[in-house]
Amino acid sequence: DAGVIQSPRHEVTEMGQEVTLRCKPISGHNSLFWYRQTMMRGLELLIYFNNNVPIDDSGMPEDRFSAKMPNASFSTLKIQPSEPRDSAVYFCASSEGDRGTYEQYFGPGTRLTVT
Amino acid sequence: AQKVTQAQTEISVVEKEDVTLDCVYETRDTTYYLFWYKQPPSGELVFLIRRNSFDEQNEISGRYSWNFQKSTSSFNFTITASQVVDSAVYFCALSEGGGSTLGRLYFGRGTQLTVWP
Repeated sequence: DAGVIQSPRHEVTEMGQEVTLRCKPISGHNSLFWYRQTMMRGLELLIYFNNNVPIDDSGMPEDRFSAKMPNASFSTLKIQPSEPRDSAVYFCASSEGDRGTYEQYFGPGTRLTVT
Repeated sequence: AQKVTQAQTEISVVEKEDVTLDCVYETRDTTYYLFWYKQPPSGELVFLIRRNSFDEQNEISGRYSWNFQKSTSSFNFTITASQVVDSAVYFCALSEGGGSTLGRLYFGRGTQLTVWP
C-alpha cells in the first residue's frame, strides 16, 4: 500500500513568491495533519483536518499560511507571500481517526528553502 | 509548558551497547496515548509504538523495549545490542484523550542517537 505522498520533495523559491505544498493521505484515513520541523522549534502542528473539515488551525503561524482539503485524498498547504523564516521541512501525516487511539503515518516531507 | 520532555539531546554509544532513551510527559487527562517515532538521517518519521494510558504492560519487539510507568509519568525506550542502523533522532509524543486537543500529537524535542561501529 502506498504511504502518505507529498510533493514536491524539495522547493527553492525567492522571498515573496507563492508556495504550494501537496499531500495525498493514505486511502481510508480520515484525519490529515500538517507539521513543520525546524531546528529552533522542533516539530510543530500547523493544522489538522478530520473528514476534510479543519478542526484545529491554531498552529498556523499567520495569515500568509492557508490549508485546504477539498476531498478525502488531497490537501494543500499554501504560503503567500513566502519569507526566509518559512524555510523548514513540512510534513503531512494521516491517521484512521481523530482520536489518539490511532497512530499517525508521515509522508517523506517537503524541504522548503526561501531565499 | 512542555507536555513531553526528552531531556537527553544527544546520546552516543558503541555498537552492541544497550541504550535507554528517556521520555517524561505531562497531562491531566486520564485517557491518553503515548508514541515513539524514529527519524533516520533520510528524514522520514517512522512510527514505532503506541501505548494507551490503561495499559502499563511493558512491551518488547525484537531489540526494542518500552517501559511505561504512570507513577513517574515516563515512557522510556530501550534498544538492546544497538546497531549502527539505529542511529537516528527518536521522538516521544503524547495524544490526549478528550477536549479540543483531541487527536493532536505533542512531540518532544527528540534525542539524537549515534551508534558508532
